[in-house]
Amino acid sequence: LAKTTQPISMDSYEGQEVNITCSHNNIATNDYITWYQQFPSQGPRFIIQGYKTKVTNEVASLFIPADRKSSTLSLPRVSLSDTAVYYCPQGGSGAGSYQLTFGKGTKLSVIP
Amino acid sequence: AAGVIQSPRHLIKEKRETATLKCYPIPRHDTVYWYQQGPGQDPQFLISFYEKMQSDKGSIPDRFSAQQFSDYHSELNMSSLELGDSALYFCASSSGLAGGSPNEQFFGPGTRLTVL
Repeated sequence: LAKTTQPISMDSYEGQEVNITCSHNNIATNDYITWYQQFPSQGPRFIIQGYKTKVTNEVASLFIPADRKSSTLSLPRVSLSDTAVYYCPQGGSGAGSYQLTFGKGTKLSVIP
Repeated sequence: AAGVIQSPRHLIKEKRETATLKCYPIPRHDTVYWYQQGPGQDPQFLISFYEKMQSDKGSIPDRFSAQQFSDYHSELNMSSLELGDSALYFCASSSGLAGGSPNEQFFGPGTRLTVL
C-alpha cells in the first residue's frame, strides 16, 4: 500500500496560518482524506476529514483539489500548543475495518 | 466522554519473554486496530478486528498474535521478545455505525514496551 508524502518539517511563528500539503498519488476512488495530529508519546488524534473541495471544522480547514492527488491542511493562527507531528495517512479497507498507513509526518514547530 | 483504555501503560520485559497488552475500545465501537511506533518512527499498522473477527493484517511478526473478545476488548500477545520490539503500542477503535467520519479512529494512550 503506497504511502502519502509530506514535508518532513515546518517552522512557523505564533499567530500565523500554516498550510501543510500532502501528496496522495495512489488514492482510491472511494477513499477519504484524513489528517491526524500527534504529540510526543501520545496516540494520534483525528483532526479533519474530507472527500473533495473544502471542509472546515473548529480547528482546521482541509482543501482538496478536483483530482484528489493532494490535500492541504490549514491551521489558522497557530499557537505553541500546535507544535506536533501532522500525518495524512493512506486508508486501506479490510473486512469491516479501515486501517491507516502512516508515512513520514510533518513536524510542525511553532516559534514564540 | 469515554476513551480507549490500554493496559498496562508501561511494561519492561527481558529478551525471549512474553507480554500481553490489553485494549478496551470506546463503548459501542466494534472495530479495534493495533499499531506499533518505534523510537523516532511513524506508527505502523499491525492488525485489526471487526466484530471479533480478524479483519486485516499489516506488518505483524509471526511471534505476535491478537484477538478480540466477546466484550470487544482486544489483547495483543507477544512472544520471544526481541530488543527491536521496544516501542509504543497503540490501540485504536472505530465504529461505522456510531456515525462520525468514516476514517476516524480514536487512539488510546499507548503501552510503552521496553525489552532489555
